[in-house]
Amino acid sequence: ETGVTQTPRHLVMGMTNKKSLKCEQHLGHNAMYWYKQSAKKPLELMFVYSLEERVENNSVPSRFSPECPNSSHLFLHLHTLQPEDSALYLCASSQGGAGGQGNNEQFFGPGTRLTVL
Amino acid sequence: RKEVEQDPGPFNVPEGATVAFNCTYSNSASQSFFWYRQDCRKEPKLLMSVYSSGNEDGRFTAQLNRASQYISLLIRDSKLSDSATYLCVVNPRNTDKLIFGTGTRLQVFP
Repeated sequence: ETGVTQTPRHLVMGMTNKKSLKCEQHLGHNAMYWYKQSAKKPLELMFVYSLEERVENNSVPSRFSPECPNSSHLFLHLHTLQPEDSALYLCASSQGGAGGQGNNEQFFGPGTRLTVL
Repeated sequence: RKEVEQDPGPFNVPEGATVAFNCTYSNSASQSFFWYRQDCRKEPKLLMSVYSSGNEDGRFTAQLNRASQYISLLIRDSKLSDSATYLCVVNPRNTDKLIFGTGTRLQVFP
């Protein structure tokens, strides 16, 4: 078991719904990440928060909206999604920071399996 | 060219076999390198970091060739429990951003 939890574990939503994914880390880390994992594709980094500031936004459509209220919690707000957004959404955390400590291990949560109908 | 390329496999090997995975990366300035393991329907977990001098952890050996921009993972005496997808991961700028390969699937059979 990792110290990163995600809820819900499974989500089915229609294209007009609004939902939120939640991630919580209990490791005292200061960097958190959202990734998308689709079948037969590499993990795609979506957003990075370091010290609660968004430091990376990988050209993600605006229908995905992240929120990081504190260093332990990360949300991904979803609205008007498309069927191609169906994927596994993984949250991760690390003891990183804007200082470029890129050698730090990222710990992943179990993911939310999202299906958009 | 993809930033990180791996042979997707699957590699089907018998227990006790030695198997090697390769990975190439496109950014010659990349700073740090890792192998992660992802079991079916589970999250990725760090298997080992990869150092320039090569490093070993039990049955697992990782090597880096900076000149060829190539990383390898060798698994000796394969166990059934080694069946998983092995992800090659590169940190191109020594920041918090990691670039993942698509993964190489390994299936060890009895």
